[in-house]
Amino acid sequence: AAGVIQSPRHLIKEKRETATLKCYPIPRHDTVYWYQQGPGQDPQFLISFYEKMQSDKGSIPDRFSAQQFSDYHSELNMSSLELGDSALYFCASSAKGAGFGEQYFGPGTRLTVT
Amino acid sequence: AQSVTQPDIHITVSEGASLELRCNYSYGATPYLFWYVQSPGQGLQLLLKYFSGDTLVQGIKGFEAEFKRSQSSFNLRKPSVHWSDAAEYFCAVDANQAGTALIFGKGTTLSVSS
Repeated sequence: AAGVIQSPRHLIKEKRETATLKCYPIPRHDTVYWYQQGPGQDPQFLISFYEKMQSDKGSIPDRFSAQQFSDYHSELNMSSLELGDSALYFCASSAKGAGFGEQYFGPGTRLTVT
Repeated sequence: AQSVTQPDIHITVSEGASLELRCNYSYGATPYLFWYVQSPGQGLQLLLKYFSGDTLVQGIKGFEAEFKRSQSSFNLRKPSVHWSDAAEYFCAVDANQAGTALIFGKGTTLSVSS
């Protein structure tokens, strides 16, 4: 079965640089979620989109922005990177429009800021 | 305050022995409940979920969980643990029952001894 695809899988950036993470949801899933997992931490919700509109917002820094495109893929844009942004970033998708659906997670993008 | 608590940070179980991982939640109403498993450096895999109805739910890999409203608990169980079950286990809730953000517990690391 098709799963959530995230790219890149690994990313190394320097402080103050920008990064773009991409997420391709499971086919026919209309909702995308972004989570951040620091080392040894539980995943923390950042933001979500349903039918290309922001549906929920969590602890996402103002330096970050995200959007969902017409093909339902999503991108997380991160600017002015800080050392503390080093984490595993997960994307999840669900079929919310068809009633509540559980979230399926991608393999994550490991971002290292040096 | 609303929270998800996994009281055990680390558990070691002998291969073939039974397993129970604890999860308690603190919300006004019964949220949607989930258990996810994460192997090192990997994404989160959904083990099972509870929305309503039968309080004993079956999941993948031989896992089951029981929802107890009176105890605000959703404990994960497996009758016979395999070495491949060693991983990090996260309990998560959707407090709004709306397919919105998941709130995760801090996780329980399971080690399996031979």
